[in-house]
Amino acid sequence: DGGITQSPKYLFRKEGQNVTLSCEQNLNHDAMYWYRQDPGQGLRLIYYSQIVNDFQKGDIAEGYSVSREKKESFPLTVTSAQKNPTAFYLCASSISSSYNSPLHFGNGTRLTVT
Amino acid sequence: AQTVTQSQPEMSVQEAETVTLSCTYDTSESNYYLFWYKQPPSRQMILVIRQEAYKQQNATENRFSVNFQKAAKSFSLKISDSQLGDTAMYFCAFKDNAGNMLTFGGGTRLMVKP
Repeated sequence: DGGITQSPKYLFRKEGQNVTLSCEQNLNHDAMYWYRQDPGQGLRLIYYSQIVNDFQKGDIAEGYSVSREKKESFPLTVTSAQKNPTAFYLCASSISSSYNSPLHFGNGTRLTVT
Repeated sequence: AQTVTQSQPEMSVQEAETVTLSCTYDTSESNYYLFWYKQPPSRQMILVIRQEAYKQQNATENRFSVNFQKAAKSFSLKISDSQLGDTAMYFCAFKDNAGNMLTFGGGTRLMVKP
């Protein structure tokens, strides 16, 4: 079955450590996205990538980094510079970045930093 | 920048009844897509329905339909014959032809009561 896989489902880290969240898709989609969701709030865009080896900052990119070396993979690194990293992170993909392509989402990773 | 506003943080409805969730947006673009996503307690984001701005006819997907008022920049979701499985957070989202990102509203938590 085609889909988006995020791993792990729950992640715990100590403050000051970098952590990488995995996102893999086998939908052959060109565009991929990372969103952050805080309790009771909507989704905010962190980074997106329209094509391999290219990515753009979203609304809240500070303290995060990404790479897009393969079409299937778009890992997100939460660095120690991110002041409030505890949140629910959702990865998504779409056939293209055009406006008529809906996003398909993974199941998310809950990151807790203490 | 585009903004999406959902003015109802929480709503409840009796099973089998009809409920309408509100969404307004702000844009200077003439062509764009609007989406409603559902996020049940599993936190998986599921596409419910979508509407292209230049289409006059309101989109319908089984028990879900929209009331799209382009001049008023309003995009409400009507759920008919509500079911217990409809209990979820509902997010309105906007994507235009110029941008590459999906902008979300803050969400409406819907509780369907037996």
